[in-house]
Amino acid sequence: KAGVTQTPRYLIKTRGQQVTLSCSPISGHRSVSWYQQTPGQGLQFLFEYFSETQRNKGNFPGRFSGRQFSNSRSEMNVSTLELGDSALYLCASSPDPNQETQYFGPGTRLLVL
Amino acid sequence: GNSVTQMEGPVTLSEEAFLTINCTYTATGYPSLFWYVQYPGEGLQLLLKATKADDKGSNKGFEATYRKETTSFHLEKGSVQVSDSAVYFCALRRGNQFYFGTGTSLTVIP
Repeated sequence: KAGVTQTPRYLIKTRGQQVTLSCSPISGHRSVSWYQQTPGQGLQFLFEYFSETQRNKGNFPGRFSGRQFSNSRSEMNVSTLELGDSALYLCASSPDPNQETQYFGPGTRLLVL
Repeated sequence: GNSVTQMEGPVTLSEEAFLTINCTYTATGYPSLFWYVQYPGEGLQLLLKATKADDKGSNKGFEATYRKETTSFHLEKGSVQVSDSAVYFCALRRGNQFYFGTGTSLTVIP
């Protein structure tokens, strides 16, 4: 069974631009969560989607948004990029939100110049 | 609120040394506790977990015991290998949400 895939793996953007990251969960998994990983803060929860609905949202500004499609694939969007948005963005999937084990993708590394 | 505190790194050990990475948590109720490992260039992988007090999670020679009285979930391994070099994250799950520590980088030298 293929694992969680994320595209692109690397991105370079400039301040003020917007970016869209994509995540394809493991086949059959319907819950997708997004995290931001930075050296100083560790992993911080962004949001969780299940059946195309956002179930939980972390403490991030409205510039961060996401969505989930009917095939469970998910995208997250960051608008008006800031230098501090440079991070590794990780996606994790599980069969449903009640499952305790999440399976992580390799992440998308975003650099904002 | 819910949070996880783990010992700061980086940690450097010689091969076959004993490893302890400390993790303490703050949570309402009774969370499930996890250790994840992140190898260079990869995403996080579940290493072990424990779902209730006094449970011991174990995998690949690593162990951690859920200690409710000290709100701790310390990771231990008796004899580390070079291949254990990675970043280790302690996490708790409460209310369908995960809370992660900041990670501890481990380097094992031959």
